[in-house]
This record gives sequence, C-alpha cells and structure tokens, in this order.
Amino acid sequence: DAGITQSPRHKVTETGTPVTLRCHQTENHRYMYWYRQDPGHGLRLIHYSYGVKDTDKGEVSDGYSVSRSKTEDFLLTLESATSSQTSVYFCAISEFGGGNTGELFFGEGSRLTVL
Amino acid sequence: TQLLEQSPQFLSIQEGENLTVYCNSSSVFSSLQWYRQEPGEGPVLLVTVVTGGEVKKLKRLTFQFGDARKDSSLHITAAQPGDTGLYLCAGATWVGGGTSYGKLTFGQGTILTVHP
Repeated sequence: DAGITQSPRHKVTETGTPVTLRCHQTENHRYMYWYRQDPGHGLRLIHYSYGVKDTDKGEVSDGYSVSRSKTEDFLLTLESATSSQTSVYFCAISEFGGGNTGELFFGEGSRLTVL
Repeated sequence: TQLLEQSPQFLSIQEGENLTVYCNSSSVFSSLQWYRQEPGEGPVLLVTVVTGGEVKKLKRLTFQFGDARKDSSLHITAAQPGDTGLYLCAGATWVGGGTSYGKLTFGQGTILTVHP
C-alpha cells in the first residue's frame, strides 16, 4: 500500500471554527491532491499541488486553502467551517500528473462533521 | 466544465449475474481510469484505458474505452459478493503548461451490491 496517512480520521466541529486536515506521504511523489466525496457527486477536486509551495485550485476551492512546505506534507485548511463542508475528505498522491495516465493513490479519508 | 455521467447509480444483483456500468461524456479524454472503493477506505485503481476502442480484461472484469474516447464501460461476468463496492470512473484531460498537470474528472459512482 502507498504510504499515505491522513489526520485526523474523524472530526466534529462547530460552524465558524478553523479546521486543518493533514496529509503525509512517504512515497516522495510530486503531486498531491485534496478531494471531497459527497453522495451523488463522486470525488471533487478542492486543491492540488505539483511541488513544494506550488499549489492551484480545483473545481470546489471556495472556503478552502492549502499549503505544502515539504514534499511529504499537504495541509488543507477550512478557515471558518460551514455545514456545507461536512464531507469525507480524501488526500491522493501521484508520481506523474493525473492526466498523463498517472495512477492516484488515496488515503483512507477524513470524515468531517460541521455542526 | 467536463462532466462524466455514470449509470446506473445503484445496482443490486444476485451472485452469478452479469452487469454493466456505463460512463458517458460529451468531452474527449486522453485516458479513462476505473477505481473501486470499499466502505471506510480510499478508491483503488483497477485499470487505465488510453486508446479509443481499447478493451482490457481483469479476471471477470472487462473494461472498454469508446472509439471516440468519450465513454467507457465496465462489465462484470458472474458477479460475486466480493465485487460489492463503489465503482468510479475518472476521465483525464491534459492541462499541460508549467504544472504538467492532468485533470481528472470523476463520475458520481455506481454502488454495486452482490447478494449471495
């Protein structure tokens, strides 16, 4: 299994509080991604990173920010959590860019509930 | 915005039956990936198809990429309870540029339940 660790795995928080999810990889892969998974929507890309300090927005980036200060760590921050951000968040990594037939390796997910 | 329509959304069948899951789009993709996800885990790649008309087989699973690279199908022969899970298709398009990033667009998923 690819070495991807997400933390925390479960979190319950209140509306308006900041939340940070962490993704740690031991594969030294260049690309890292944050997705959210909601029923009926599949996986939707929030942000991705193509190198240290190199990040860009995905299709559902509003309300989220990311940082990547080291190859192995990719942080997802919700500055002020809202109930619409209740979801399961997946981190993924790939050695090559996703469109270049690069396989994505996913973490086990972080379930976030915003009350 | 590129969309991938996956159908059916839910599929409940008996062990031994055959089934097909479809993944359709109006957009052309450079490649198409199929993932399987079990409860509480992340998706795992089953196969990648790249060439229009390509057919790949993985034991009882057959994957096909449409000639125009806009659609794909997954066919399972003689389904078993171990096939139960969420199946996701994902189409890749090349963004290129300095990021060398290929965007993956995921379908909504098909929840398959195979009853013994």
